[in-house]
Parts: sequence; structure tokens; C-alpha cells
Amino acid sequence: RKEVEQDPGPFNVPEGATVAFNCTYSNSASQSFFWYRQDCRKEPKLLMSVYSSGNEDGRFTAQLNRASQYISLLIRDSKLSDSATYLCVVKKSQGNLIFGKGTKLSVKP
Amino acid sequence: NAGVMQNPRHLVRRRGQEARLRCSPMKGHSHVYWYRQLPEEGLKFMVYLQKENIIDESGMPKERFSAEFPKEGPSILRIQQVVRGDSAAYFCASSPLTASYEQYFGPGTRLTVT
Repeated sequence: RKEVEQDPGPFNVPEGATVAFNCTYSNSASQSFFWYRQDCRKEPKLLMSVYSSGNEDGRFTAQLNRASQYISLLIRDSKLSDSATYLCVVKKSQGNLIFGKGTKLSVKP
Repeated sequence: NAGVMQNPRHLVRRRGQEARLRCSPMKGHSHVYWYRQLPEEGLKFMVYLQKENIIDESGMPKERFSAEFPKEGPSILRIQQVVRGDSAAYFCASSPLTASYEQYFGPGTRLTVT
């Protein structure tokens, strides 16, 4: 079983739509969780950290369910500029990051 | 404050040659991580270094690959006798500390082996 699993998509949505991505992780001892965004042929960029209490940053909401080992990202009012691959990431205790393969989002006009 | 810098951005090598990839962390960061992204794949951890020390190399192939982070100068990822399967994007990330801090990624080096 992969350490971090995501639906690869692609998710094709119209502008203004709400879209949700899910991710599961296998190591129950994992402590830190993140969503990164990667544009085509570019480096990953941190979108937001994920906390059990849930956290929101503008149109983006992230949620962590430790009991189910499940992480989610909700994007409201999608913009064309949101088109990218969204990476679910778990940080190991040594500090290195474990990446999911990513979920591709395409927002259409 | 300049971000993480990597060079070269693109590197073409013939099979059997050596590839050297450089990473300069952000100012004040003393922890460097290297990741590899094969075509159509996710990023995979390779090695974690602090100044003059390899902390975790569990993701590094046992042969042909080595990494260093000297007291002065950039971190170097070295691939000897490259093969076609080494063609990938190699990303470096840095952080000021380990457990609690975010990692900031450089723009990557795209290695093509012909």
C-alpha cells in the first residue's frame, strides 16, 4: 500500500465551481500534513498546512481526520488560475516529505 | 531574501557521463532535502543533509548516487555513469529546522540522459 494515496483525476470543472480532493495516508504515526500545488514543469509550492481542527485560507479549506487517516482540500469559487496539480503531503519524523502522486485540476471558462 | 537556487536548470548528459546538480538553500537555512520526480510520477525523497552531515539517505539509490553539503558552498547531488532511467526533475528543498518548519523548494534541475 502506498504511504499517501490520491485520486489522480483529472477534475474538469467550470469557473465558480466547488471542488473537493481527498487523500489517505498509511502511517498512523504521521504528525504533519500539507497540501502543495504544482504547476506544469514547476516546483511544488506550499498551499497550506492541515490541522485536525480544520483550517481555512480564503477560498481553500483543509481538513484532517486522524481516526480515518484522511485529508481533504476544498476549493470554493474555482478560478482559471487554480488549474494545477494538487499534492497531498505527509511529513515524516525525520523531516522528509512523502508526496502523493497528485490530483490534476483543470478549471474551464 | 533569495529563494532556493538550483543550477543548472537543464542538464543534458550522454549515457555513462557524470551529472552534478547544485543547490543553494535559502539564507539562514542549514537543512537540505533532495527529491526526484520521474515523468508522470510523484516526488520521491532521496536524501536529507545538514552542513557536513548526511542525516537520512534512505531514498537514495545505493549505487552511482551521492550527495554532500559542505561547510562552504552549495549542496551537490552527483550521479555517476548516468543511464536513461535517471532522466527526471531533481528538486532541492531547504528549511531552517526539521520537524516544525516548512520546506521551500527550488525550481529544479531537469536532467535528460541521451
